[in-house]
Amino acid sequence: GNSVTQMEGPVTLSEEAFLTINCTYTATGYPSLFWYVQYPGEGLQLLLKATKADDKGSNKGFEATYRKETTSFHLEKGSVQVSDSAVYFCAQSGGYQKVTFGTGTKLQVIP
Amino acid sequence: EPEVTQTPSHQVTQMGQEVILRCVPISNHLYFYWYRQILGQKVEFLVSFYNNEISEKSEIFDDQFSVERPDGSNFTLKIRSTKLEDSAMYFCASSETLYQETQYFGPGTRLLVL
Repeated sequence: GNSVTQMEGPVTLSEEAFLTINCTYTATGYPSLFWYVQYPGEGLQLLLKATKADDKGSNKGFEATYRKETTSFHLEKGSVQVSDSAVYFCAQSGGYQKVTFGTGTKLQVIP
Repeated sequence: EPEVTQTPSHQVTQMGQEVILRCVPISNHLYFYWYRQILGQKVEFLVSFYNNEISEKSEIFDDQFSVERPDGSNFTLKIRSTKLEDSAMYFCASSETLYQETQYFGPGTRLLVL
């Protein structure tokens, strides 16, 4: 079945450091791919998405490119801020209703 | 910007009691979902709902769970006889169409079963 694997956390970075959170997926067909973010004590917010191969999703300085050949959708940001501290979930929508989430990666950014 | 809302934000209940979690999806959306997140674990799909019937459900969604759209705006999840292991954050989501459409999530209801 469809699944999402993302790097284990927590990830601790200093402010202004470069961020990469790895995500790979398995799917039949061509899913849409998403990154959701969950700030402490809050719900899930859509951060960015890509719906087909080679699409790049971007938002708030975060980017991820849909790589069909490597079945990956890694999240990157050039310079993280303390306010980026949150849990990041990679997810896919396989075309039949449910979103499948990864386990989440906790990011802590220290000043 | 339209958003999904959920009530209550927190609910504490005794084991064996019934709870109803409420959601108001985005108004022009046609597909509705419930997910749950046990503390520290991944978000898991429970059920999807379209045209007043369940269209898919997971193995978690057993007979103690039910969903309903009682009117034109609300979408509810009922847990008939709560167990300790039902303690989790429950998220409602909605989407405009079905195929590969983005699901928008509500802020969640944190349920604690004692």
